[in-house]
Amino acid sequence: GEDVEQSLFLSVREGDSSVINCTYTDSSSTYLYWYKQEPGAGLQLLTYIFSNMDMKQDQRLTVLLNKKDKHLSLRIADTQTGDSAIYFCAELYGNNRLAFGKGNQVVVIP
Amino acid sequence: EAQVTQNPRYLITVTGKKLTVTCSQNMNHEYMSWYRQDPGLGLRQIYYSMNVEVTDKGDVPEGYKVSRKEKRNFPLILESPSPNQTSLYFCASSSAGTGGYEQYFGPGTRLTVT
Repeated sequence: GEDVEQSLFLSVREGDSSVINCTYTDSSSTYLYWYKQEPGAGLQLLTYIFSNMDMKQDQRLTVLLNKKDKHLSLRIADTQTGDSAIYFCAELYGNNRLAFGKGNQVVVIP
Repeated sequence: EAQVTQNPRYLITVTGKKLTVTCSQNMNHEYMSWYRQDPGLGLRQIYYSMNVEVTDKGDVPEGYKVSRKEKRNFPLILESPSPNQTSLYFCASSSAGTGGYEQYFGPGTRLTVT
């Protein structure tokens, strides 16, 4: 399968911005995703970006895509305690298949 | 309510005792998939199905079987579970195709094999 890399842990103070990074391998990926997993729950789609875009903004979320470096980032503005979760980036490849990164745990400190 | 359901949510079993984890979706999705989640490894795909009677291996299919006799159901079968299959399992579904379709995830099944 494809290889998607993420750093593992981030702590951030409430109200600050948090940035999660991800690198992926398949340059032909058409869609890249960010999923959120809250404790004891399944994954929930946060946002996605099409590969012909450099940036996508959705309320407090900003996704940046650098296709040349195969680098994807998620910025969460004004981080809230409810943003504490594990965040997974994923790339679409093959027949609807998703390759996930290892996840990045975000802990928001009040 | 659109959802993916899995049963059971928690299961403790012994090595070698066959078990089935059920997955059902009510969104008429063609595509369904099983993942396992392990600490430090993220999610890895076990099997997926593009439609009824069409299944294919994912990245870690060894020790698992699936079937897709009906569109809404996609059970995961462990014929002879072993301790290395202790994990958190997720079922997911989506519309098929090459678009950016959202995959909807079930709540997870935590399996412990002793």
